Amino acid sequence: QVQLQESGPGLVKPSETLSLTCSVSGDSISSHNWNWIRQPAGKGLEWIGRIYNSGRSSNYNPSLNSRVTMSMDTSKNQFSLKMSSVTAADTAVYFCARGREYSRFDYWGQGTLVTVSS
Amino acid sequence: QSALTQPASVSGSPGQSITISCTGTSSEVGGYDHVSWYQQHPGKAPKLMIYDVSNRPSGVSNRFSGSKSGNTASLTISGLQAEDEADYYCNSYTTSTTVLFGGGTKLTVL
Repeated sequence: QVQLQESGPGLVKPSETLSLTCSVSGDSISSHNWNWIRQPAGKGLEWIGRIYNSGRSSNYNPSLNSRVTMSMDTSKNQFSLKMSSVTAADTAVYFCARGREYSRFDYWGQGTLVTVSS
Repeated sequence: QSALTQPASVSGSPGQSITISCTGTSSEVGGYDHVSWYQQHPGKAPKLMIYDVSNRPSGVSNRFSGSKSGNTASLTISGLQAEDEADYYCNSYTTSTTVLFGGGTKLTVL
Protein backbone atom coordinates (compact mmCIF):
# COMPACT_ATOMS: atom_id res chain seq x y z
CA GLN A 1 0.00 0.00 0.00
CA VAL A 2 1.44 3.34 -1.05
CA GLN A 3 1.40 5.99 1.68
CA LEU A 4 2.48 9.62 1.65
CA GLN A 5 2.99 11.87 4.66
CA GLU A 6 3.66 15.61 4.60
CA SER A 7 5.76 17.25 7.29
CA GLY A 8 7.08 20.72 8.02
CA PRO A 9 6.42 23.91 9.96
CA GLY A 10 2.79 24.87 10.34
CA LEU A 11 3.61 28.55 10.67
CA VAL A 12 5.82 30.63 8.39
CA LYS A 13 6.48 34.36 8.57
CA PRO A 14 5.73 36.61 5.58
CA SER A 15 8.64 37.00 3.15
CA GLU A 16 10.28 33.81 4.45
CA THR A 17 10.59 30.43 2.75
CA LEU A 18 8.07 27.64 3.21
CA SER A 19 9.66 24.18 3.36
CA LEU A 20 7.75 20.89 3.30
CA THR A 21 8.79 17.27 2.93
CA CYS A 22 6.76 14.32 1.73
CA SER A 23 7.81 10.87 2.96
CA VAL A 24 6.75 8.00 0.76
CA SER A 25 6.36 4.34 1.70
CA GLY A 26 5.23 1.41 -0.40
CA ASP A 27 6.78 2.74 -3.62
CA SER A 28 10.09 4.07 -4.83
CA ILE A 29 10.16 7.76 -5.71
CA SER A 30 12.54 6.84 -8.54
CA SER A 31 9.41 5.74 -10.35
CA HIS A 32 6.41 7.84 -11.41
CA ASN A 33 6.19 11.58 -10.73
CA TRP A 34 5.62 13.30 -7.43
CA ASN A 35 3.46 16.34 -6.98
CA TRP A 36 2.56 19.16 -4.63
CA ILE A 37 -0.98 20.54 -4.62
CA ARG A 38 -2.45 23.13 -2.29
CA GLN A 39 -5.90 24.23 -1.17
CA PRO A 40 -6.69 27.48 0.64
CA ALA A 41 -9.48 27.17 3.18
CA GLY A 42 -12.85 26.93 1.47
CA LYS A 43 -11.31 27.11 -2.01
CA GLY A 44 -10.27 24.79 -4.80
CA LEU A 45 -7.20 22.76 -5.57
CA GLU A 46 -4.14 24.33 -7.16
CA TRP A 47 -1.35 22.27 -8.69
CA ILE A 48 2.05 23.57 -7.62
CA GLY A 49 4.38 21.30 -9.54
CA ARG A 50 5.94 17.87 -10.05
CA ILE A 51 9.35 16.29 -9.82
CA TYR A 52 10.41 13.08 -11.55
CA ASN A 53 13.20 11.21 -13.28
CA SER A 54 14.94 10.67 -9.92
CA GLY A 55 14.87 14.40 -9.31
CA ARG A 56 16.50 15.43 -12.58
CA SER A 57 13.30 16.90 -14.03
CA SER A 58 10.56 19.16 -12.73
CA ASN A 59 7.64 21.25 -13.95
CA TYR A 60 6.01 24.09 -12.04
CA ASN A 61 2.79 26.07 -12.19
CA PRO A 62 3.68 29.17 -14.23
CA SER A 63 1.99 31.40 -11.66
CA LEU A 64 4.35 30.14 -8.95
CA ASN A 65 7.38 29.20 -11.04
CA SER A 66 9.71 31.92 -9.83
CA ARG A 67 9.16 31.07 -6.16
CA VAL A 68 9.07 27.27 -6.20
CA THR A 69 11.81 24.67 -6.05
CA MET A 70 11.30 20.93 -5.68
CA SER A 71 13.93 18.36 -4.83
CA MET A 72 14.18 14.66 -4.17
CA ASP A 73 16.20 12.50 -1.77
CA THR A 74 16.05 8.99 -3.14
CA SER A 75 18.06 7.58 -0.23
CA LYS A 76 15.29 8.62 2.15
CA ASN A 77 12.46 8.13 -0.36
CA GLN A 78 11.37 11.71 0.23
CA PHE A 79 10.70 14.74 -1.93
CA SER A 80 10.48 18.35 -0.88
CA LEU A 81 8.95 21.71 -1.69
CA LYS A 82 10.44 25.12 -1.08
CA MET A 83 8.42 28.25 -1.75
CA SER A 84 10.12 31.60 -1.24
CA SER A 85 8.80 35.06 -0.38
CA VAL A 86 5.53 33.77 1.02
CA THR A 87 2.56 35.99 1.78
CA ALA A 88 -0.78 35.42 3.47
CA ALA A 89 -2.11 34.24 0.09
CA ASP A 90 0.09 31.16 0.43
CA THR A 91 -1.80 30.02 3.53
CA ALA A 92 -3.32 26.67 2.58
CA VAL A 93 -3.42 22.95 3.16
CA TYR A 94 -0.56 21.46 1.19
CA PHE A 95 -0.92 17.95 -0.22
CA CYS A 96 1.68 15.71 -1.78
CA ALA A 97 0.51 13.14 -4.31
CA ARG A 98 1.86 10.41 -6.56
CA GLY A 99 1.32 11.13 -10.23
CA ARG A 100 0.95 8.54 -12.91
CA GLU A 101 1.19 9.66 -16.50
CA TYR A 102 -0.16 13.13 -17.23
CA SER A 103 -2.82 14.28 -14.72
CA ARG A 104 -3.65 11.15 -12.76
CA PHE A 105 -2.94 11.53 -9.03
CA ASP A 106 -3.69 8.18 -7.47
CA TYR A 107 -2.26 8.42 -3.96
CA TRP A 108 -2.38 11.49 -1.72
CA GLY A 109 -1.03 12.48 1.64
CA GLN A 110 -3.46 13.64 4.30
CA GLY A 111 -2.38 17.26 3.85
CA THR A 112 -0.69 19.71 6.17
CA LEU A 113 -1.88 23.22 7.01
CA VAL A 114 0.65 25.98 6.53
CA THR A 115 -0.26 29.41 7.84
CA VAL A 116 1.68 32.49 6.78
CA SER A 117 1.55 35.03 9.56
CA SER A 118 3.86 37.18 11.64
CA GLN B 1 -3.65 29.79 -16.53
CA SER B 2 -7.26 30.16 -15.39
CA ALA B 3 -8.93 27.26 -13.63
CA LEU B 4 -11.12 24.94 -15.65
CA THR B 5 -14.78 25.93 -15.36
CA GLN B 6 -17.10 23.79 -13.23
CA PRO B 7 -20.54 24.63 -11.86
CA ALA B 8 -20.30 25.77 -8.27
CA SER B 9 -22.99 23.36 -7.15
CA VAL B 10 -25.25 20.57 -8.31
CA SER B 11 -27.85 18.58 -6.45
CA GLY B 12 -29.94 15.47 -6.84
CA SER B 13 -32.13 13.07 -4.93
CA PRO B 14 -31.08 9.57 -3.92
CA GLY B 15 -31.31 7.21 -6.85
CA GLN B 16 -31.15 9.96 -9.46
CA SER B 17 -28.29 10.72 -11.83
CA ILE B 18 -26.33 13.95 -12.00
CA THR B 19 -23.68 15.27 -14.34
CA ILE B 20 -20.88 17.71 -13.55
CA SER B 21 -19.21 19.54 -16.41
CA CYS B 22 -15.62 20.71 -16.71
CA THR B 23 -14.94 23.19 -19.49
CA GLY B 24 -11.56 24.28 -20.75
CA THR B 25 -9.91 25.02 -24.05
CA SER B 26 -8.04 23.17 -26.77
CA SER B 27 -4.87 23.75 -24.74
CA GLU B 28 -5.96 21.28 -22.09
CA VAL B 29 -9.33 19.49 -21.97
CA GLY B 30 -9.92 19.59 -25.71
CA GLY B 31 -6.35 18.78 -26.64
CA TYR B 32 -5.76 15.65 -24.59
CA ASP B 33 -7.66 12.65 -23.29
CA HIS B 34 -6.03 13.20 -19.92
CA VAL B 35 -8.83 14.51 -17.73
CA SER B 36 -9.23 13.13 -14.22
CA TRP B 37 -11.94 13.56 -11.60
CA TYR B 38 -11.54 13.64 -7.81
CA GLN B 39 -13.98 13.36 -4.91
CA GLN B 40 -13.18 15.24 -1.72
CA HIS B 41 -15.07 14.93 1.54
CA PRO B 42 -14.64 17.71 4.14
CA GLY B 43 -11.28 17.61 5.85
CA LYS B 44 -10.04 14.74 3.69
CA ALA B 45 -7.62 14.34 0.84
CA PRO B 46 -9.06 14.10 -2.67
CA LYS B 47 -9.73 10.62 -4.05
CA LEU B 48 -9.21 9.70 -7.70
CA MET B 49 -12.52 8.61 -9.26
CA ILE B 50 -11.88 8.79 -13.03
CA TYR B 51 -8.71 9.16 -15.10
CA ASP B 52 -8.00 9.60 -18.79
CA VAL B 53 -11.56 10.86 -19.35
CA SER B 54 -13.43 7.62 -18.70
CA ASN B 55 -11.29 5.07 -16.84
CA ARG B 56 -12.18 3.99 -13.33
CA PRO B 57 -9.45 2.98 -10.87
CA SER B 58 -9.87 -0.34 -9.16
CA GLY B 59 -12.32 -0.09 -6.28
CA VAL B 60 -14.31 2.87 -7.59
CA SER B 61 -18.01 2.18 -8.06
CA ASN B 62 -19.28 1.75 -11.61
CA ARG B 63 -21.92 4.35 -10.74
CA PHE B 64 -19.20 6.87 -11.62
CA SER B 65 -18.49 7.45 -15.29
CA GLY B 66 -16.72 10.04 -17.40
CA SER B 67 -16.89 11.36 -20.92
CA LYS B 68 -15.65 14.21 -23.07
CA SER B 69 -16.92 16.22 -26.02
CA GLY B 70 -14.73 18.94 -27.48
CA ASN B 71 -13.46 21.21 -24.73
CA THR B 72 -15.87 19.90 -22.09
CA ALA B 73 -15.45 16.82 -19.94
CA SER B 74 -18.24 15.42 -17.79
CA LEU B 75 -18.59 13.26 -14.71
CA THR B 76 -21.85 11.38 -14.28
CA ILE B 77 -22.92 9.77 -11.04
CA SER B 78 -25.86 7.41 -11.34
CA GLY B 79 -27.96 5.98 -8.53
CA LEU B 80 -27.02 8.84 -6.21
CA GLN B 81 -26.28 7.83 -2.64
CA ALA B 82 -25.92 9.93 0.48
CA GLU B 83 -22.21 9.19 0.67
CA ASP B 84 -21.68 10.77 -2.77
CA GLU B 85 -22.24 14.18 -1.19
CA ALA B 86 -18.83 15.84 -1.52
CA ASP B 87 -16.82 18.30 -3.56
CA TYR B 88 -15.72 17.15 -7.02
CA TYR B 89 -12.75 18.46 -8.98
CA CYS B 90 -11.60 17.84 -12.52
CA ASN B 91 -8.07 18.33 -13.77
CA SER B 92 -6.37 18.15 -17.12
CA TYR B 93 -2.93 17.88 -18.60
CA THR B 94 -1.95 20.97 -20.60
CA THR B 95 0.15 21.86 -23.62
CA SER B 96 2.66 23.40 -21.21
CA THR B 97 3.15 19.96 -19.60
CA THR B 98 1.50 21.31 -16.47
CA VAL B 99 -1.74 20.31 -14.74
CA LEU B 100 -4.78 22.54 -14.35
CA PHE B 101 -7.61 21.93 -11.90
CA GLY B 102 -11.21 23.00 -12.12
CA GLY B 103 -12.72 25.29 -9.52
CA GLY B 104 -14.68 22.47 -7.92
CA THR B 105 -18.35 21.52 -7.65
CA LYS B 106 -20.26 20.90 -4.44
CA LEU B 107 -22.65 17.99 -4.82
CA THR B 108 -25.63 17.97 -2.48
CA VAL B 109 -27.74 14.83 -2.14
CA LEU B 110 -31.21 16.04 -1.22
